[in-house]
Amino acid sequence: QKEVEQNSGPLSVPEGAIASLNCTYSDRVSQSFFWYRQYSGKSPELIMSIYSNGDKEDGRFTAQLNKASQYVSLLIRDSQPSDSATYLCAVNIRISGTYKYIFGTGTRLKVLA
Amino acid sequence: GAVVSQHPSRVICKSGTSVKIECRSLDFQATTMFWYRQFPKKSLMLMATSNEGSKATYEQGVEKDKFLINHASLTLSTLTVTSAHPEDSSFYICSARLGVEQFFGPGTRLTVL
Repeated sequence: QKEVEQNSGPLSVPEGAIASLNCTYSDRVSQSFFWYRQYSGKSPELIMSIYSNGDKEDGRFTAQLNKASQYVSLLIRDSQPSDSATYLCAVNIRISGTYKYIFGTGTRLKVLA
Repeated sequence: GAVVSQHPSRVICKSGTSVKIECRSLDFQATTMFWYRQFPKKSLMLMATSNEGSKATYEQGVEKDKFLINHASLTLSTLTVTSAHPEDSSFYICSARLGVEQFFGPGTRLTVL
């Protein structure tokens, strides 16, 4: 089982809809979770960090964390064509006694105008 | 805040030459920086963890003599690709850790002819 798993997509949503991106992780004691956005040819940009169970909202973005089920999701409300990008989930995972930042392979989102 | 720069943004070189890439944290001090490589349409691959004042920790399969890392100050890490070959052509991205978050530089696109 991969440490951090994401559906590679592409996930296509119409403009104005809610895009829902999901990520599961394997390490039960992970404490820190992150969502990055990466446009084609560019480097990743941190858009959300979440550390506690529940929802965290920032503008059109909502991160949801459920540690019991070991998943973290990102909702994008009122999706815009400019949201089209690859979204990377990252988790701080304990490996051999030390914490490492592990990225998922990313979900490609297409917002259709 | 949390701005990371990289230089150069793009480099084209002949096979056999060495290329140095600089990564700087502009508005914070970073004891830990990371170097990633990304091939087109592929996920980020962590190459090494750069620790200020000590030797870098390389991921399995990454040649430390090929990819020299120096983290001489709290705001600067350098990656030198020695004797570059066409298969080293890739997008190299650094990141710097601030607390538990990682912030990425804009990346360096290396093309080896």
